Amino acid sequence: GAGVSQTPSNKVTEKGKYVELRCDPISGHTALYWYRQSLGQGPEFLIYFQGTGAADDSGLPNDRFFAVRPEGSVSTLKIQRTERGDSAVYLCASSRSFYNEQFFGPGTRLTVL
Amino acid sequence: AQKVTQAQTEISVVEKEDVTLDCVYETRDTTYYLFWYKQPPSGELVFLIRRNSFDEQNEISGRYSWNFQKSTSSFNFTITASQVVDSAVYFCALSDNTGNQFYFGTGTSLTVIP
Repeated sequence: GAGVSQTPSNKVTEKGKYVELRCDPISGHTALYWYRQSLGQGPEFLIYFQGTGAADDSGLPNDRFFAVRPEGSVSTLKIQRTERGDSAVYLCASSRSFYNEQFFGPGTRLTVL
Repeated sequence: AQKVTQAQTEISVVEKEDVTLDCVYETRDTTYYLFWYKQPPSGELVFLIRRNSFDEQNEISGRYSWNFQKSTSSFNFTITASQVVDSAVYFCALSDNTGNQFYFGTGTSLTVIP
């Protein structure tokens, strides 16, 4: 059984560029979460999807960040006009429903130069 | 406001010692969920346990045990007879009854010395 996968594993970009980070959740999991983890910190909630809709996007830091999940499975986190402060590991997690345990992917390490 | 505090930043123990990782949480909800996750050096977070706010029974799973006390808003995690493979960062997390958001603590880095 495949777990949560995230691509790319590493992304290096220049300040001001646009990036997309992809998450493939476990098949059948309706809940999908995006987190950002900075060095030495716990995961910081960004956005939660239940099916295709964003049930809670209050964790997105500003309007440069956007995420979609058009068919209720794969999700893409999009960051416009990247800034050096966006550098972090972006984690994706999925679960059967909101009260079940979340299964995390390996993360995408984003470095903005 | 929801908040999770893990006051212990780093802990080192010698193999076979017992170690307890502390977790204190804040919430105004009456229904909530508490979690522990392990993040080994490889980086991928691994689920360990989930507890709902109505179940205060302590749980034991092999060398792992958890002590949930609502009176002190704590959900502590004990590893008995620690092993080198237990070396990792451990995170405590809190979810409200909607499950929309998860609040993670800053983690405790455990090093087990052989």
